[in-house]
Amino acid sequence: NAGVTQTPKFQVLKTGQSMTLQCAQDMNHNSMYWYRQDPGMGLRLIYYSASEGTTDKGEVPNGYNVSRLNKREFSLRLESAAPSQTSVYFCASSDRDSRNQPQHFGDGTRLSIL
Amino acid sequence: QQPVQSPQAVILREGEDAVINCSSSKALYSVHWYRQKHGEAPVFLMILLKGGEQKGHDKISASFNEKKQQSSLYLTASQLSYSGTYFCGTGIGTSYGKLTFGQGTILTVHP
Repeated sequence: NAGVTQTPKFQVLKTGQSMTLQCAQDMNHNSMYWYRQDPGMGLRLIYYSASEGTTDKGEVPNGYNVSRLNKREFSLRLESAAPSQTSVYFCASSDRDSRNQPQHFGDGTRLSIL
Repeated sequence: QQPVQSPQAVILREGEDAVINCSSSKALYSVHWYRQKHGEAPVFLMILLKGGEQKGHDKISASFNEKKQQSSLYLTASQLSYSGTYFCGTGIGTSYGKLTFGQGTILTVHP
């Protein structure tokens, strides 16, 4: 019972490099989310997808792009990485409206940008 | 706008009780509570919806005062396993499907 799977678990990049964080869920959830977590800041929403084919900006979208490839997969891309994007990134999913449904989180990707 | 949690940190001995508060400046549709252990993913504890319903989960319960836009998480007879960071997540009526999380409360339980 995998739940939400994120890859990679760790990554080190140089400033200006690009990379894609992958996320897949096997719970047949409609909604998927990308958060970043920085010390003392809690979880901040980057982008979310309420259903397959739709995406919307969250609180901190600058410097990121997303793709909802299908119902299972939601990827996050950093086109030109900056040190300020050093963070732990969590993907989550929920069944439809997560205001009244639990969010299920992946184990996170720890990203360092030098 | 991010909900505000208080206190920022609390230290307990096993068996003691704690209360964590979450306050918002916006009219709330729902409040979620999650616990995160160091280096791990947040784990869902419970959801409270409009109506002031109090929920319980083992010795952890929560209340939601929608008039005051506040929720409180009650941990009774704390155990070592309760240690971690607790986050509230708030949903508002105009933001379908989105939660805004507080900054977290670090709970440490000592033997």
